[in-house]
Amino acid sequence: GAVVSQHPSWVICKSGTSVKIECRSLDFQATTMFWYRQFPKQSLMLMATSNEGSKATYEQGVEKDKFLINHASLTLSTLTVTSAHPEDSSFYICSAPLAGGLSSYNEQFFGPGTRLTVL
Amino acid sequence: AQTVTQSQPEMSVQEAETVTLSCTYDTSESDYYLFWYKQPPSRQMILVIRQEAYKQQNATENRFSVNFQKAAKSFSLKISDSQLGDAAMYFCAYRGGYGGATNKLIFGTGTLLAVQP
Repeated sequence: GAVVSQHPSWVICKSGTSVKIECRSLDFQATTMFWYRQFPKQSLMLMATSNEGSKATYEQGVEKDKFLINHASLTLSTLTVTSAHPEDSSFYICSAPLAGGLSSYNEQFFGPGTRLTVL
Repeated sequence: AQTVTQSQPEMSVQEAETVTLSCTYDTSESDYYLFWYKQPPSRQMILVIRQEAYKQQNATENRFSVNFQKAAKSFSLKISDSQLGDAAMYFCAYRGGYGGATNKLIFGTGTLLAVQP
């Protein structure tokens, strides 16, 4: 199946700094990617939909200036957590759908996630 | 808006036994997909099984099968012959059928499954 990678897998940063997380579709092109946030023992919460060549669509309650998303190519989307604070510590997961031709079904492939710890 | 509800935060099953995880959803759409995802301790999301709403036949994948009750908006997952490797968090998810790749997944709160040896 298709593979989605994330980098880094774990990052620790100081409060007030910015952190960039990369999401790559390794063997397919993805015009759309999704970014999720997951707290321990909780579900995945969609943060935003990343669109190649255009602005991301953010879910209600997600700060656009806090979580900057750039989808510069068909295989790469980045999430930058700006001026990170301890409450931003979480597990961030991206996913990318693989277009299925004429079918409306597009299986989503998930990255392995990035654990962010803000001290 | 669509919602997905999983009423069982935790479940436990003996190895080799059968367990059923519950999921209900709410939608006004007629075309949609339903999924069960597994998230083991590695936290990598793994697709277990999917069901297209227009299909009356319940989906099956080896030891995993679903009971899809469209009128009741119920979508349960049955795991037969449970194995230790089945221990994980299981998420039920919904996706609208229109819009193709841009359609987002809506997840339930998850059920943590423990498998006892």
